[in-house]
Amino acid sequence: EAQVTQNPRYLITVTGKKLTVTCSQNMNHEYMSWYRQDPGLGLRQIYYSMNVEVTDKGDVPEGYKVSRKEKRNFPLILESPSPNQTSLYFCASSLWGSDYGYTFGSGTRLTVV
Amino acid sequence: KNEVEQSPQNLTAQEGEFITINCSYSVGISALHWLQQHPGGGIVSLFMLSSGKKKHGRLIATINIQEKHSSLHITASHPRDSAVYICAVKMETSGSRLTFGEGTQLTVNP
Repeated sequence: EAQVTQNPRYLITVTGKKLTVTCSQNMNHEYMSWYRQDPGLGLRQIYYSMNVEVTDKGDVPEGYKVSRKEKRNFPLILESPSPNQTSLYFCASSLWGSDYGYTFGSGTRLTVV
Repeated sequence: KNEVEQSPQNLTAQEGEFITINCSYSVGISALHWLQQHPGGGIVSLFMLSSGKKKHGRLIATINIQEKHSSLHITASHPRDSAVYICAVKMETSGSRLTFGEGTQLTVNP
């Protein structure tokens, strides 16, 4: 089944403890991206990648890192999480080109205390 | 002012009604997406438009590039259509970044 798999689905952590949210897709998509969703602010793009070793900042990249060493994986790294990073996170992928939609992961609900 | 504005923010309809959700944007775009977010949180891509009109089942999406406006229509609405509908644009000047509207909460009552 074609899908984007995010892990974990739920995570509670403490301020400053490094964490990684994984994202993997099995559709050979070139484009992958990370979003966060907050009440009243909607979805906002954190980082995106157009292919292996090519990443770029979205609208809210501060406090996050990404890497794209393989086409299928695009992990989101929080080196020193803070409470303002408590949010619902989504990973998505797409074939490159303007005629294709996105496939989203199921989301990761992160709480930083 | 948000670069992408949706209306209405909330919409309640009776089963069978024709529904329209609107999206306006203020800059040049290369593509516009309509997304559906289910009550459980999952997001599904419904349409990607760069011009004209697309139809999938009971859903129709249109875009008017000159007027910077898109509409999502649902014909013969059903309670299972209850969800948040989100408009997102890829701006000409922002590469591959997507900018999202705040969403329209649709509730269809039986």
